[in-house]
Amino acid sequence: EDQVTQSPEALRLQEGESSSLNCSYTVSGLRGLFWYRQDPGKGPEFLFTLYSAGEEKEKERLKATLTKKESFLHITAPKPEDSATYLCAVRSNDYKLSFGAGTTVTVRA
Amino acid sequence: EAQVTQNPRYLITVTGKKLTVTCSQNMNHEYMSWYRQDPGLGLRQIYYSMNVEVTDKGDVPEGYKVSRKEKRNFPLILESPSPNQTSLYFCATSRDTTYEQYFGPGTRLTVT
Repeated sequence: EDQVTQSPEALRLQEGESSSLNCSYTVSGLRGLFWYRQDPGKGPEFLFTLYSAGEEKEKERLKATLTKKESFLHITAPKPEDSATYLCAVRSNDYKLSFGAGTTVTVRA
Repeated sequence: EAQVTQNPRYLITVTGKKLTVTCSQNMNHEYMSWYRQDPGLGLRQIYYSMNVEVTDKGDVPEGYKVSRKEKRNFPLILESPSPNQTSLYFCATSRDTTYEQYFGPGTRLTVT
């Protein structure tokens, strides 16, 4: 059974304090790893897709990386507007998408 | 503007009263899916559809039905809702099974 574990559950940062979120996974053949951002009461918003180990994607203050067992979402010099829950999901060989429980990031000014 | 719409956004109902949550997309996407989101459990897939008239069960299909008669619409049907179906529901679409999914705004359902 595919498993996705995100850590930490919650992260409190000071504005400008860089940090990383972890997504570890076990999957029967990775067909893609996805990162989403979710604001309270809203639908998840797509951020990145990574397909193979060594791949990296960047968008503003966010950078996602992928290894064979885990992915990291690095937040560089975060701002209060980066506060959200970040979700990781993996797609396996049967094209099923499994989500982690998320990491809630709070950035204080 | 590309969008996924859900209706209603909020619904309070009673046990056993049939209800339908609609989902519509204007992106001509093949793949559509329904999820429920509960605290501590994350997003769990209820049903998905790879194309018109093709649907399949996700991880938590019990108590739900779906249909895909047209490409743009994918309604979620609760024939006899129960309190354990109180949750936040999301519809999602993607070009096909290999691409990222785009989510609707969510429907908060309370069953008393």
